[in-house]
Amino acid sequence: QVQLKESGPGLVKPSETLSLTCTVSGFSLTSYHVSWVRQPPGKGLEWMGVIWGDGSTAYNSALKSRLSISRDTSKSQVFLKMSSLKTEDTATYYCAREVSYLRFAYWGQGTLVTVSS
Amino acid sequence: DVVLTQTPPTLLATIGQSVSISCRSSQSLLHSNGNTYLNWLLQRTGQSPQPLIYLVSKLESGVPNRFSGSGSGTDFTLKISGVEAEDLGVYYCMQFTHYPPTFGGGTKLELK
Repeated sequence: QVQLKESGPGLVKPSETLSLTCTVSGFSLTSYHVSWVRQPPGKGLEWMGVIWGDGSTAYNSALKSRLSISRDTSKSQVFLKMSSLKTEDTATYYCAREVSYLRFAYWGQGTLVTVSS
Repeated sequence: DVVLTQTPPTLLATIGQSVSISCRSSQSLLHSNGNTYLNWLLQRTGQSPQPLIYLVSKLESGVPNRFSGSGSGTDFTLKISGVEAEDLGVYYCMQFTHYPPTFGGGTKLELK
């Protein structure tokens, strides 16, 4: 069945770079788009960016200068890198898979990242 | 970016009560292809969001038919006809018509 699972460091210092991995199973990354969505504690959801099945990417303009999404199809992994972290980047980070008619039908469990010195 | 405004921010209900949540968009969500990409999701406490409704009114597989969605253009509504305990959590509308995809601020459904 379709599964997505995020992994990452948990705690990152301000100004450092965050690296997260989304490991997927049950589908091919070349056939489906995978997005990153984040949620600050107690707040709403924010779409960050997407890597499409053809490998191209799109980013939220508010994060574009700091964000990079890539993948390794042989390992079924999608990567998020975000530089110059601030305390406001503290959030649970989710990866999610799109399905037809443009919706996120599958979500990972999320990984909490705290930005603190 | 498209702004989605959800009301009310908090909804108190008793079991069996019918409730509605509004989602208003800053722009029409009617795509040039004729589809309206307005979705609803539910996030229970401590869990990931889960999809409920897509294309305004189509239920995701496994979603009980006490949930229904309606609306067009810029005004949309999620209705729960007879709240059950498992329905408690935060409801989000989300649009995919215009990039970037955006979410409403959420409506928290609690027991009265």
